[in-house]
Amino acid sequence: LAKTTQPISMDSYEGQEVNITCSHNNIATNDYITWYQQFPSQGPRFIIQGYKTKVTNEVASLFIPADRKSSTLSLPRVSLSDTAVYYCLVGPGSGGYNKLIFGAGTRLAVHP
Amino acid sequence: ETGVTQTPRHLVMGMTNKKSLKCEQHLGHNAMYWYKQSAKKPLELMFVYSLEERVENNSVPSRFSPECPNSSHLFLHLHTLQPEDSALYLCASSPAGSVASGANVLTFGAGSRLTVL
Repeated sequence: LAKTTQPISMDSYEGQEVNITCSHNNIATNDYITWYQQFPSQGPRFIIQGYKTKVTNEVASLFIPADRKSSTLSLPRVSLSDTAVYYCLVGPGSGGYNKLIFGAGTRLAVHP
Repeated sequence: ETGVTQTPRHLVMGMTNKKSLKCEQHLGHNAMYWYKQSAKKPLELMFVYSLEERVENNSVPSRFSPECPNSSHLFLHLHTLQPEDSALYLCASSPAGSVASGANVLTFGAGSRLTVL
């Protein structure tokens, strides 16, 4: 399973765009990149998943360069409610199950 | 509500008690998971069941005993726990199939907060 590295913490202000970068140098050919968000005392929630280039949904964008050794989660115009821990995971996109390992994540604090 | 329901939400037990955590999903998912999250630590994968068969057991002490009677239900039986077992226990499920169908994307429950006295 590919190991991921992301910043321990980030700070931002309401209305700003936040970009969280994750490094995954040993990503495999069939691996996908998935991001989750976790609020205190709740389970993580799926945000976005991608394989290459750019993926966008209603809450975030995911940018993946051609070499796929890193990825960037972009949160447009954050609000106080985006304060959470964000996890980057890399693993197979299909199969019967996954055994993805969660790292420490990035603790994002959004300030008024 | 995510579609994965965990009960109880909070549990306090003594070290000699026996209790169980329950997880239920009606999302039609094929795999179910137990994770443990201690204070200020990453989530630790404990067990994985795929099609009701245990496929992963990450060196979890025998005082934690999982049970998956069918694809919709998962239990974690607890006995003779230690205070360091106090944590948030999270259940998750995921579908099989293709990426387009969301395969291997985890849907988590809200967790069961366990305190061992």
